[in-house]
Amino acid sequence: DVKVTQSSRYLVKRTGEKVFLECVQDMDHENMFWYRQDPGLGLRLIYFSYDVKMKEKGDIPEGYSVSREKKERFSLILESASTNQTSMYLCASSTRRGAGEQFFGPGTRLTVL
Amino acid sequence: QQQVKQSPQSLIVQKGGISIINCAYENTAFDYFPWYQQFPGKGPALLIAIRPDVSEKKEGRFTISFNKSAKQFSLHIMDSQPGDSATYFCAATIRGSTLGRLYFGRGTQLTVWP
Repeated sequence: DVKVTQSSRYLVKRTGEKVFLECVQDMDHENMFWYRQDPGLGLRLIYFSYDVKMKEKGDIPEGYSVSREKKERFSLILESASTNQTSMYLCASSTRRGAGEQFFGPGTRLTVL
Repeated sequence: QQQVKQSPQSLIVQKGGISIINCAYENTAFDYFPWYQQFPGKGPALLIAIRPDVSEKKEGRFTISFNKSAKQFSLHIMDSQPGDSATYFCAATIRGSTLGRLYFGRGTQLTVWP
């Protein structure tokens, strides 16, 4: 069974802290994605990666960075967390030509105080 | 600019009724239109998808209708059940793209009353 795991289900951080969200997939997928989900705004793409060490900005990259050192792992970094980054963060993966099927992790609910 | 527009934002339907969610797009390069279903506490999961060379696709109680000239597509859930209560996202993509990016609508929260 395909699986995307995220390091934490819930996370509480302080303003200004550096935050790491980890995502691991076991499907040997080339593409990986980070989204944030907010009520009424749907799924907004932050960053994605189509290969190791490769990354592309999504629609809302400001305040975030990413790292992909291994094919199975994609990390989202909040360099200096702010309260407006309180959100649900979802990781997903797909094959290079996945015909529209992305596999999602369960999400990390991040609260920044 | 939002690439895929979805309505309504929320929908309440009685058990046994028909749920209808609508989406529209502008980019004519899109050639694959999946729908994702998300239950509380879970990530979205692929529900059903359609290519623009067909006007309708049915899987069980779920049907996608596609109108290429109007650049619109919709999800119909027949005989809606309380277990269908979830958030539904339409999406669009370009199948030949190696980046595999999906452009999502903002989602519809469906509640089916027993």
